[in-house]
Amino acid sequence: SQQGEEDPQALSIQEGENATMNCSYKTSINNLQWYRQNSGRGLVHLILIRSNEREKHSGRLRVTLDTSKKSSSLLITASRAADTASYFCAPSGNTPLVFGKGTRLSVIA
Amino acid sequence: EAQVTQNPRYLITVTGKKLTVTCSQNMNHEYMSWYRQDPGLGLRQIYYSMNVEVTDKGDVPEGYKVSRKEKRNFPLILESPSPNQTSLYFCASSPTPTLGQVTYEQYFGPGTRLTVT
Repeated sequence: SQQGEEDPQALSIQEGENATMNCSYKTSINNLQWYRQNSGRGLVHLILIRSNEREKHSGRLRVTLDTSKKSSSLLITASRAADTASYFCAPSGNTPLVFGKGTRLSVIA
Repeated sequence: EAQVTQNPRYLITVTGKKLTVTCSQNMNHEYMSWYRQDPGLGLRQIYYSMNVEVTDKGDVPEGYKVSRKEKRNFPLILESPSPNQTSLYFCASSPTPTLGQVTYEQYFGPGTRLTVT
């Protein structure tokens, strides 16, 4: 199975700042997905980027994908306290989706 | 409302007492999966099912059983629970990913917090 590795493990920023988290993976993929998890709750899908795309936007989210480096980044602009959560990447090929340990983001008001 | 439901949400039980955590989805998804989440270990897949009567082991299947008799239900069975199965469990579903094609987003249930003493 394919698994992404998120970096950093934890990130603390002030409200209004941008937050960037990264994901690295090892095998070829069809797409890569990002999910958010609020404490103790189920994961929520944020965005999916296909392997032939380099960048994708959704509201305050910007995702990039570099298949040559096998890496992706998630940028949250103008962060809010409500963005406090754990964020997971899920690289996907033709095997079941698996998740890493995530990046724990704390946005301080 | 499209959703994945799990029951119970919280469960405290004793070692060896068989239990079942139910999972149901109303989106007509073929693919369903169970994960456990533990501090420092992230989410780990226990079992998944590509369709009715088709189940496969994930990364940590030991001590668990599943069944998929209907498309909407995917119960997780612990025949003889042990303290190391104390964890937060999530069920998820999605349309079946076609081999070599795009994998669809997964919809997660609210979680079941299990404590085995």
